[in-house]
Amino acid sequence: SQQGEEDPQALSIQEGENATMNCSYKTSINNLQWYRQNSGRGLVHLILIRSNEREKHSGRLRVTLDTSKKSSSLLITASRAADTASYFCATDAVYATGANNLFFGTGTRLTVIP
Amino acid sequence: EAQVTQNPRYLITVTGKKLTVTCSQNMNHEYMSWYRQDPGLGLRQIYYSMNVEVTDKGDVPEGYKVSRKEKRNFPLILESPSPNQTSLYFCASSPRGDQPQHFGDGTRLSIL
Repeated sequence: SQQGEEDPQALSIQEGENATMNCSYKTSINNLQWYRQNSGRGLVHLILIRSNEREKHSGRLRVTLDTSKKSSSLLITASRAADTASYFCATDAVYATGANNLFFGTGTRLTVIP
Repeated sequence: EAQVTQNPRYLITVTGKKLTVTCSQNMNHEYMSWYRQDPGLGLRQIYYSMNVEVTDKGDVPEGYKVSRKEKRNFPLILESPSPNQTSLYFCASSPRGDQPQHFGDGTRLSIL
């Protein structure tokens, strides 16, 4: 399966600390995406990094990608209580037909304690 | 406002009673997809559609049907629901399958 796997499954930190989540995947990709899900709600796209990029920033988010290790990390700096959510990585797959699709991991549950 | 709309948001029903969960997007997206989310299993894809009249199975298609007669709508049909289909369901759309997806707010189904 192409599905990514996040690590750790759960993470609890104090407000103001940094949070790092990791994602590993199995096959070659064109891009990797990170999403956020507040409890029971729909996922919200955070950031996309292409396979020829190594690092990308968006506000307090920093994403790295190491295609040789088939892994990515999401760093949230200066965390806030409002960052409490589940975070998912998603990898794309391109089929022989030219069709493409996204596969989601199982997520990291982040709790930021005020 | 750009959005993906699912209905109903919540449904409790009984085994064997056919049901349809509707999904509509107003962004003119080619790609649409259905996922189910269960504790510890993340999001698993049920069916996806690259374009009108083009649908394909995802990882867990058994017990589900879909259709894509128009670009904006992608209903999920459970012909004979069973308790193992109790789950949280999400519809999503994007311009293309590998691009950022917009998600609906989810439909929580309970099959008794």
